[in-house]
Amino acid sequence: GQQLNQSPQSMFIQEGEDVSMNCTSSSIFNTWLWYKQDPGEGPVLLIALYKAGELTSNGRLTAQFGITRKDSFLNISASIPSDVGIYFCAGLRYRDDKIIFGKGTRLHILP
Amino acid sequence: DTGVSQDPRHKITKRGQNVTFRCDPISEHNRLYWYRQTLGQGPEFLTYFQNEAQLEKSRLLSDRFSAERPKGSFSTLEIQRTEQGDSAMYLCASSLRAGGTDTQYFGPGTRLTVL
Repeated sequence: GQQLNQSPQSMFIQEGEDVSMNCTSSSIFNTWLWYKQDPGEGPVLLIALYKAGELTSNGRLTAQFGITRKDSFLNISASIPSDVGIYFCAGLRYRDDKIIFGKGTRLHILP
Repeated sequence: DTGVSQDPRHKITKRGQNVTFRCDPISEHNRLYWYRQTLGQGPEFLTYFQNEAQLEKSRLLSDRFSAERPKGSFSTLEIQRTEQGDSAMYLCASSLRAGGTDTQYFGPGTRLTVL
């Protein structure tokens, strides 16, 4: 099925580094969502964005809804070991009433 | 805990058997969604309900799959005559569609393995 273009596919960073990942689409979305998924668990909502240009923070996480409504990014500052996991972007168009997911960014933190 | 719950968490079955999964949404949520996730991929939409009405089904949902939400609360997803290709994580999500927003919250998933 249709999916968003999420990059990078994976990241290897040192603890304490900042992280940036993004999501792009050829279509406009009304809502952008960022989820984190740990192995064997369901995705957990991190940040929801509802307006173009919106910049929202949740602790060390910051996400923005792109002005064109076709992209979004997520930043994590000062990474810690528990940030390890898969981060998914997801877009929602009201006419479709369903979320479309990216393929995920796998975050690894080097010891 | 008042989040979305799913049961069972894991299911191993033999090819050809029928399986049924249950999802209990967040209590005040009127929408309930089913997704399927395979290794290395994001979740893919299967179907969703608003209250007890099933409003949309994906082409991924073959005739062997059926979902119900009889009283607009919990939902079940049944797979008949399972095939090895049905092995995946089945995720349920719920939301309160109101005022143009529809933020979905996911359950822990049911991992199905078909031998």
